[in-house]
Amino acid sequence: EAGVAQSPRYKIIEKRQSVAFWCNPISGHATLYWYQQILGQGPKLLIQFQNNGVVDDSQLPKDRFSAERLKGVDSTLKIQPAKLEDSAVYLCASSLGAGANYGYTFGSGTRLTVV
Amino acid sequence: QKEVEQDPGPLSVPEGAIVSLNCTYSNSAFQYFMWYRQYSRKGPELLMYTYSSGNKEDGRFTAQVDKSSKYISLFIRDSQPSDSATYLCAMRRNQGGKLIFGQGTELSVKP
Repeated sequence: EAGVAQSPRYKIIEKRQSVAFWCNPISGHATLYWYQQILGQGPKLLIQFQNNGVVDDSQLPKDRFSAERLKGVDSTLKIQPAKLEDSAVYLCASSLGAGANYGYTFGSGTRLTVV
Repeated sequence: QKEVEQDPGPLSVPEGAIVSLNCTYSNSAFQYFMWYRQYSRKGPELLMYTYSSGNKEDGRFTAQVDKSSKYISLFIRDSQPSDSATYLCAMRRNQGGKLIFGQGTELSVKP
């Protein structure tokens, strides 16, 4: 089975610019997650989708971050405007369901550097 | 206080050594406990998965959960250079999908 696809792999932008990341989950996976992993830290959940609906976005900085999952398949995460502290790896993961016994599959991530 | 605490290391061991990686947590609602391995510039991959307290073994890997102490461990026997990676503990409540991760322990196994 194909894994979780993310693009781009790397992105360098200046502060106050905007940026978008794309994720294509594993086929048939209803649940999609965006995580932020700052260097030296564990991943932190930004937003969770169940099909095309938002389940949890409590840690998403909504003044600058937005995400959508149109048609319940692929997803886009946007940052506008970017700050220096947004430098991180943005990981997308998907799972068959949201229940506690479903495992996640992560993509390789998009490494964002804000200068 | 963070919900999940993990010694960041780095940890360096010789090939063949037994490795012990640990996490403590503060939320007694956590029921499902996982260990992920993350190679450099890759996403985390699930290594071990345990429900509630007890031990689980898979080849050279053993996961232990002690809910009374809010403490989980991962043991790696006969460590290999290919085990060099960052190991992340993660846990979730009985319901809902949010995984809470530790900060990861960087392991290096020297030939």
